[in-house]
Amino acid sequence: EDQVTQSPEALRLQEGESSSLNCSYTVSGLRGLFWYRQDPGKGPEFLFTLYSAGEEKEKERLKATLTKKESFLHITAPKPEDSATYLCAPQRPGANNLFFGTGTRLTVIP
Amino acid sequence: DVKVTQSSRYLVKRTGEKVFLECVQDMDHENMFWYRQDPGLGLRLIYFSYDVKMKEKGDIPEGYSVSREKKERFSLILESASTNQTSMYLCASSARTGTDTQYFGPGTRLTVL
Repeated sequence: EDQVTQSPEALRLQEGESSSLNCSYTVSGLRGLFWYRQDPGKGPEFLFTLYSAGEEKEKERLKATLTKKESFLHITAPKPEDSATYLCAPQRPGANNLFFGTGTRLTVIP
Repeated sequence: DVKVTQSSRYLVKRTGEKVFLECVQDMDHENMFWYRQDPGLGLRLIYFSYDVKMKEKGDIPEGYSVSREKKERFSLILESASTNQTSMYLCASSARTGTDTQYFGPGTRLTVL
């Protein structure tokens, strides 16, 4: 059975304190892994797609990496505006849909 | 920029009412999706459509139906709303080819009393 687990559920960081969010998955024949950011009361906003183990992508203070079993979202020197829930979503083969984790709620304190 | 719009941000309905949630995308995307999002459960796929008049059930289709008469519009229908359908409903769209990236609308917070 396909599974995706994100940890931690919630994370509080001081501004400038770097950390990583984890997304562990069990999906046979992974087509891709997507990261989204979601602000309260809004729809998810696309960040990255990773397609193969070893791939990395960066955007401002965020860097996403992928292995065969998990993905990490590294946040370097975060700012309060990085506060949001971060969702990962492996894409299952043969299905044009994403399989979402429950997210990590990040709070960055000034 | 891709734009996905949903007809209402907030909606309050009574048990037993028929409810229509509308979604429109302006990027000529073939695929459209309806999810619901609940605390602790994440986003779960209700239905998706890969072409006009075509639809497939997602993980939780019970109690819902959909309609796609035009490429840009995808409707979610609750035939007889129940309190356990109180949730945030999110629509998304993606192109058939390429990166498969799904772009989401702002969501509709539905409360069924």
